[in-house]
Amino acid sequence: GQNIDQPTEMTATEGAIVQINCTYQTSGFNGLFWYQQHAGEAPTFLSYNVLDGLEEKGRFSSFLSRSKGYSYLLLKELQMKDSASYLCAVLDSNYQLIWGAGTKLIIKP
Amino acid sequence: GAVVSQHPSWVICKSGTSVKIECRSLDFQATTMFWYRQFPKQSLMLMATSNEGSKATYEQGVEKDKFLINHASLTLSTLTVTSAHPEDSSFYICSARAVTGGDTNEQFFGPGTRLTVL
Repeated sequence: GQNIDQPTEMTATEGAIVQINCTYQTSGFNGLFWYQQHAGEAPTFLSYNVLDGLEEKGRFSSFLSRSKGYSYLLLKELQMKDSASYLCAVLDSNYQLIWGAGTKLIIKP
Repeated sequence: GAVVSQHPSWVICKSGTSVKIECRSLDFQATTMFWYRQFPKQSLMLMATSNEGSKATYEQGVEKDKFLINHASLTLSTLTVTSAHPEDSSFYICSARAVTGGDTNEQFFGPGTRLTVL
């Protein structure tokens, strides 16, 4: 079956760095997405990786290793507004998005 | 950037009534739109995939006669929850994939519709 695993909850301190991991097992792979979702709102796009390596975009970076079925989202210089759920999703061979359950990130002052 | 709107943002209805939710791509054409449902503290669950001009493909366990989907144009898809019951109360989110798909296969999400059935 298809499966995406990510931690349920993480806590970090304002100004610090946090890494959210995601491992996946899917039927085919056409890319991996990271989305941010604040409570009561729809997800917003953060990043897309289809090739191995690190993609940097401002304070956020995303890494992919296809051979290991592994990705991480790195958030630097954490701000209180970064408190949200972070969803990992994989586009499978049918171009369907398979979603992880999300990681709730709590930022403390 | 690509914008997807949903209407209404929230709706409260009585049990047994039907509710229609609209999803529009405002500045791009979407051949494919997706309807998701999200219960509190859970991830998104894909309900159905809608392609313009053809019947929607429903995920296992989703009743097609209860959740009617129409994708009549490249910019509009509608989800109608028929004979809604309290267990249908949820956050419904649509997303759209552009005709060209760009180079990211990105889905653009609407802001969601919160449905409460009394």
